[in-house]
Amino acid sequence: DSGVTQTPKHLITATGQRVTLRCSPRSGDLSVYWYQQSLDQGLQFLIQYYNGEERAKGNILERFSAQQFPDLHSELNLSSLELGDSALYFCASSASRTGHSGNTIYFGEGSWLTVV
Amino acid sequence: AQSVAQPEDQVNVAEGNPLTVKCTYSVSGNPYLFWYVQYPNRGLQFLLKYITGDNLVKGSYGFEAEFNKSQTSFHLKKPSALVSDSALYFCAVTATTDSWGKLQFGAGTQVVVTP
Repeated sequence: DSGVTQTPKHLITATGQRVTLRCSPRSGDLSVYWYQQSLDQGLQFLIQYYNGEERAKGNILERFSAQQFPDLHSELNLSSLELGDSALYFCASSASRTGHSGNTIYFGEGSWLTVV
Repeated sequence: AQSVAQPEDQVNVAEGNPLTVKCTYSVSGNPYLFWYVQYPNRGLQFLLKYITGDNLVKGSYGFEAEFNKSQTSFHLKKPSALVSDSALYFCAVTATTDSWGKLQFGAGTQVVVTP
């Protein structure tokens, strides 16, 4: 168990809908990262938050957004869903936002999203 | 831009034999390198990382990896494979010039260990 908790584990929704994925980082971790894993694109970095502020963006679609709350949990919002958004969405966390002391990045078990 | 190559889609090995999973990388700046393992319907489990220092890194479950700067490689090794090591293995890199946690992953290598 990595200590990173993601809910829901599985989600099936229709095209055009909106969903919210939730992530609780490891206790004490200030950085949260979101990744998407799909068969055609592999594992892709979406976005990073550190202590409530956005720090880095990757290949995140404009239909997707995220935020990190004062209690450090994070939510990834996916809207106007398309069939191609079906994927496994991972949350990860680390103690800080830099490589200082080489702090490890731990991943949750992911949220399976199926868009039908 | 950074990239990771895992040249083998699948590695087959008999239980008890040595296991090697290859990874090469390309980054601007100094690399930070990671190995993760994914079991079916499970998340990514951290195995080991190279940040700086000794080129031979020891990790979880008897795995180790050797950082080779001249060959830009970070191959994962285990002296004696177990059937339970059968899983999907990912190499990942980030760089000192980039945001920590903005990992670039390889495509993954499926390891199959036969009894």
